Amino acid sequence: DIQMTQSPASLSASLGETVTIECRASEDIYNGLAWYQQKPGKSPQLLIYNANSLHTGVPSRFSGSGSGTQYSLKINSLQSEDVASYFCQQYYDYPWTFGGGTKLELK
Amino acid sequence: EVQLVESGGGLVKPGSSLKLSCVASGFTFSSYGMHWIRQAPKKGLEWIALIYYDSSNKYYADSVKGRFTISRDNSKNTLYLEMNSLRSEDTAMYYCAKKGDTYGWYFDFWGPGTMVTVSS
Repeated sequence: DIQMTQSPASLSASLGETVTIECRASEDIYNGLAWYQQKPGKSPQLLIYNANSLHTGVPSRFSGSGSGTQYSLKINSLQSEDVASYFCQQYYDYPWTFGGGTKLELK
Repeated sequence: EVQLVESGGGLVKPGSSLKLSCVASGFTFSSYGMHWIRQAPKKGLEWIALIYYDSSNKYYADSVKGRFTISRDNSKNTLYLEMNSLRSEDTAMYYCAKKGDTYGWYFDFWGPGTMVTVSS
């Protein structure tokens, strides 16, 4: 199975700050990567697919980048509604696997 | 608007069975692969099962293979997960999710989930 390692596990940032979350795959996943946001008590929502494509309706302050085994999610100008947990997921190979998550809080 | 609504969760004893349902609306259900994904309390996400749009292929995580069965009824826009021989480690929120519109097995819409608790 492809292992997905996310960092950091938790993050504290101020409003308006730029935040970056990293995800490393145990092997090349050829941009088969998605990012999800999960707010407390809610189900996950798709933010990014194919490593850098923004899902419909997602604010443009979210962006994804990377290739090979290293990927990142960037949030520009952090807003209060961005407080959530964030998960990466690889879909290059079965079984589809998730990173352990990053919990983002406001400083 | 895409909507997915799960049901059928509850408190059951180890070794028992349970069948979850997920009713879909707002898209052509019969054209999309569908998944079940679970999340143990305060834990991360675990993909557990996939069924193709026409039920021609089904895939399972090793942790549930041989115990869980995914199925669908396209005439009822409904996805199912039959769970047998339940264990305490199956305790989780269970989500159904729709395959994304483009190439690739990502999940573009999720239901709110149904909680399954396995405890004596």
